[in-house]
Amino acid sequence: GAGVSQSPSNKVTEKGKDVELRCDPISGHTALYWYRQRLGQGLEFLIYFQGNSAPDKSGLPSDRFSAERTGESVSTLTIQRTQQEDSAVYLCASNNRGEQFFGPGTRLTVL
Amino acid sequence: AQSVTQLGSHVSVSEGALVLLRCNYSSSVPPYLFWYVQYPNQGLQLLLKYTTGATLVKGINGFEAEFKKSETSFHLTKPSAHMSDAAEYFCAVMNYGNNRLAFGKGNQVVVIP
Repeated sequence: GAGVSQSPSNKVTEKGKDVELRCDPISGHTALYWYRQRLGQGLEFLIYFQGNSAPDKSGLPSDRFSAERTGESVSTLTIQRTQQEDSAVYLCASNNRGEQFFGPGTRLTVL
Repeated sequence: AQSVTQLGSHVSVSEGALVLLRCNYSSSVPPYLFWYVQYPNQGLQLLLKYTTGATLVKGINGFEAEFKKSETSFHLTKPSAHMSDAAEYFCAVMNYGNNRLAFGKGNQVVVIP
């Protein structure tokens, strides 16, 4: 497709379980970002990938969060031992010439 | 580090009335500024952006914003609200030396018939 896609669109999990969220960026976009949007809050930066450079992980809230990206394609965000405060919409964006294009997000609910 | 302030989480506007959403930013270097709109159950869509050049920027759906360096502001306006403008609006700033976006907390716009 033409846009950024994310899967799943919704994920409900139990506290303590691990989850994986997937992002397919727009083809040819070298930069990829993950953000978190908690209820009533703006978007928080989590992690940034640019080509083959080391990722900027400075926004990850704890060591339970990690992300990988294969080349300039798919990225996965993994949250281990989920907690209720991890409940949020996780948004992925890819970048072209300074403009970020966002996916529809994954709504994560931790029970 | 850059930051963005958007006041008033919920904004009500009558159909046909002026839409004004305020955004103030802090940045140690000239910023790139953005307004995004998020419709229910959809991703963020770029409304408009300022990078360099003309300080009055026109975007989609009749929105425009003006970069005022002296006021560190980038307020969003639309002369006449339409029912379809009901959505959440986010202001964001990016430093060109740092590709991260810093977002405000957003304004939920409700359009009253």
